[in-house]
Amino acid sequence: ETGVTQSPTHLIKTRGQQVTLRCSSQSGHNTVSWYQQALGQGPQFIFQYYREEENGRGNFPPRFSGLQFPNYSSELNVNALELDDSALYLCASSRGAETQYFGPGTRLLVL
Amino acid sequence: EDQVTQSPEALRLQEGESSSLNCSYTVSGLRGLFWYRQDPGKGPEFLFTLYSAGEEKEKERLKATLTKKESFLHITAPKPEDSATYLCAVQDTGGATNKLIFGTGTLLAVQP
Repeated sequence: ETGVTQSPTHLIKTRGQQVTLRCSSQSGHNTVSWYQQALGQGPQFIFQYYREEENGRGNFPPRFSGLQFPNYSSELNVNALELDDSALYLCASSRGAETQYFGPGTRLLVL
Repeated sequence: EDQVTQSPEALRLQEGESSSLNCSYTVSGLRGLFWYRQDPGKGPEFLFTLYSAGEEKEKERLKATLTKKESFLHITAPKPEDSATYLCAVQDTGGATNKLIFGTGTLLAVQP
């Protein structure tokens, strides 16, 4: 167990809806990174938060947004859901640039 | 552009049959190379970090090695519980983030 938790574990939405995923980082970690993993693929970097500021973004559109809170927990928000957004969403926490530890993921299905 | 390629895509072994998984990478500057294990439907579990060519790390039946262009994950006398997808990822020294760039993984099945 890494100490990184995510909620919910599973979620079903329809096209056009909005979704919020949550992540609690491991104690002592100040950095949270979000990844999207499609079936049979490796995780793809969405963005990273360090001390409540976005610290870098991957090749994802602006409808993917996030927040980090003073306790270093984080949210991932996705607006105007598309079918291709169906994936496993992973949160990873770390101390700055050190090793990233992943949570169990949230499985999102968009119908 | 940073890139990670893993081979083979899938590997089937008999219990006790040792083998190696390969991870080839291209980065402008390597900050670290990471190996993770992922069980179906779960998050990746950290195994090793390697920082420089020639470095080796071991954990139980697993041993990871690093050269300037690739890394190997050696599995000695595997057991069925070693069955999982093994992911390799790199961090580049450039840029403000410590994002991980992943390969597509090797799906390992160990049969009793």
